[in-house]
Amino acid sequence: NAGVTQTPKFRILKIGQSMTLQCTQDMNHNYMYWYRQDPGMGLKLIYYSVGAGITDKGEVPNGYNVSRSTTEDFPLRLELAAPSQTSVYFCASSYRGSEAFFGQGTRLTVV
Amino acid sequence: GESVGLHLPTLSVQEGDNSIINCAYSNSASDYFIWYKQESGKGPQFIIDIRSNMDKRQGQRVTVLLNKTVKHLSLQIAATQPGDSAVYFCAENLRSSGGGADGLTFGKGTHLIIQP
Repeated sequence: NAGVTQTPKFRILKIGQSMTLQCTQDMNHNYMYWYRQDPGMGLKLIYYSVGAGITDKGEVPNGYNVSRSTTEDFPLRLELAAPSQTSVYFCASSYRGSEAFFGQGTRLTVV
Repeated sequence: GESVGLHLPTLSVQEGDNSIINCAYSNSASDYFIWYKQESGKGPQFIIDIRSNMDKRQGQRVTVLLNKTVKHLSLQIAATQPGDSAVYFCAENLRSSGGGADGLTFGKGTHLIIQP
């Protein structure tokens, strides 16, 4: 099993550009999450999903959107990139909301 | 503000000694806690978890202690090795009444440095 796979690993965006961070998992987990991690800080929850077709906001959802059309995929969309969105983004999945398995992260810089 | 935090940003220990990393949480309704290890450039990796109906749980070389009275969590690593060098995060999960995910709330992390 590959676990949780995120693409791309690195990306530089200009202010106002848009992009989609991809996340896929092959563990058949119902629960999936997006976190962001700023330097020297813990992870903050952006959005989460408890199953296909269901998404909900986390602690810091502003400026992001998600969709969950399949169990495997949970893409995160940035519509108008801002410097404040410079961060490392982690996707995670879990079974019934317990131990979460994380991807390797996407390092995003907005200039 | 943060509902989960750590007492020290950096902990330096001698190789072979035991390490103790502490964490305080503020939400008494939290019922599930996890310790994660994050190496440089990688995603968090699960170490050990504990539910609120327990006060101690042991894994391989690691022990988690939960004191609900003072809302304190600790991670003990026995015989610390160079490979233990990483940032350690505690995280809590407040489950909804329907058993939903809600996501984990993370503390800032403690950087464990191993001295040779």
